[in-house]
Amino acid sequence: GAVVSQHPSWVICKSGTSVKIECRSLDFQATTMFWYRQFPKQSLMLMATSNEGSKATYEQGVEKDKFLINHASLTLSTLTVTSAHPEDSSFYICSARDPQTDFSPLHFGNGTRLTVT
Amino acid sequence: GQNIDQPTEMTATEGAIVQINCTYQTSGFNGLFWYQQHAGEAPTFLSYNVLDGLEEKGRFSSFLSRSKGYSYLLLKELQMKDSASYLCAVLDSNYQLIWGAGTKLIIKP
Repeated sequence: GAVVSQHPSWVICKSGTSVKIECRSLDFQATTMFWYRQFPKQSLMLMATSNEGSKATYEQGVEKDKFLINHASLTLSTLTVTSAHPEDSSFYICSARDPQTDFSPLHFGNGTRLTVT
Repeated sequence: GQNIDQPTEMTATEGAIVQINCTYQTSGFNGLFWYQQHAGEAPTFLSYNVLDGLEEKGRFSSFLSRSKGYSYLLLKELQMKDSASYLCAVLDSNYQLIWGAGTKLIIKP
């Protein structure tokens, strides 16, 4: 079945630094990928929709200059958290659908746990 | 607005059956998904319903009634590993996925 790979699984960084998270679709081409954030004991929150070859679409309240998204190929999207602060510490999860399959479910990467000290 | 409701938490006994309900009000409907999420992990796909009726997949079944805006996830022969959050999500008319807040299921021996 479709597989989405996300890297790294966890990262600890100092306040003010930037962190890049990669999301790859391994056996299908994803023109669209989704980035979610989840704080402890809360539901998934869609941050942005990443579109291959064009600008990402950000949800209301998500700073596009802080969360940089690049979707340079049909199998790779990256999320860069710039000038990270402790409040950015969260679980970041990417997902994608296989566009070749009717009503394909969202397949999720394993997530990246970011801790900003 | 768009809204998906599911209970916050449920408790059940190992070996028993539990039904997790989900009601939705969305702009259009292109299917309903159930996902399982263990603590600290990403969600994993369980089921998809787009037509009314029951879809059975092993110990898990999912039911949909579009006229009532209602679905449930039925888990049989509960095992301790089934302790997780169960997320209901609806694909709206724009093919945007609307998420419920999830139901935390606690299994007791």
